[in-house]
Amino acid sequence: NAGVTQTPKFRILKIGQSMTLQCTQDMNHNYMYWYRQDPGMGLKLIYYSVGAGITDKGEVPNGYNVSRSTTEDFPLRLELAAPSQTSVYFCASSYSMGDTQYFGPGTRLTVL
Amino acid sequence: GENVEQHPSTLSVQEGDSAVIKCTYSDSASNYFPWYKQELGKRPQLIIDIRSNVGEKKDQRIAVTLNKTAKHFSLHITETQPEDSAVYFCAASSGAGSYQLTFGKGTKLSVIP
Repeated sequence: NAGVTQTPKFRILKIGQSMTLQCTQDMNHNYMYWYRQDPGMGLKLIYYSVGAGITDKGEVPNGYNVSRSTTEDFPLRLELAAPSQTSVYFCASSYSMGDTQYFGPGTRLTVL
Repeated sequence: GENVEQHPSTLSVQEGDSAVIKCTYSDSASNYFPWYKQELGKRPQLIIDIRSNVGEKKDQRIAVTLNKTAKHFSLHITETQPEDSAVYFCAASSGAGSYQLTFGKGTKLSVIP
């Protein structure tokens, strides 16, 4: 199993550009999550999904969108990138609620 | 919502000594408390977790204790080794039946050989 994979590893965007961060898991997990990690801070939840077709906002959803059309994939969309979205983005998945969350390797995004 | 405070933010110990990291949480309905280890440039990885029906859990050199009355939980690492150097994060589920984890800001542990 590859576990949780994310692409790209690094990306530089200009202000106002858009992009999609990809996340795929091959563990047949129902629950998937997107976090952002700013320097010296813990992880903050952006969006989560409890199954295909079901998504909900986390603590910091503004400026982001998600979709979940399959169990495996949970892409994160940034529209109109802003410098405040410069961060490391981690995708995670878990089998059920309150179960271990497995993290992907992260995407380091810089918005200039 | 849930608020998690973590202390200290940095911790240096001599190899072989013990390290203790403490977290407090605000939501008395929280019932799941994981600890993650993150090495520089790597992903967070679960090292131990505890649920609200248990007061203490141990896995080799790592232990976690939970005091629900005081709403705090702690990570204990004994016989520290240089490879224990990393940032450690505590987290708490955001209330009963919640899918959300709220993370502390992390503790950077340095083990000096």
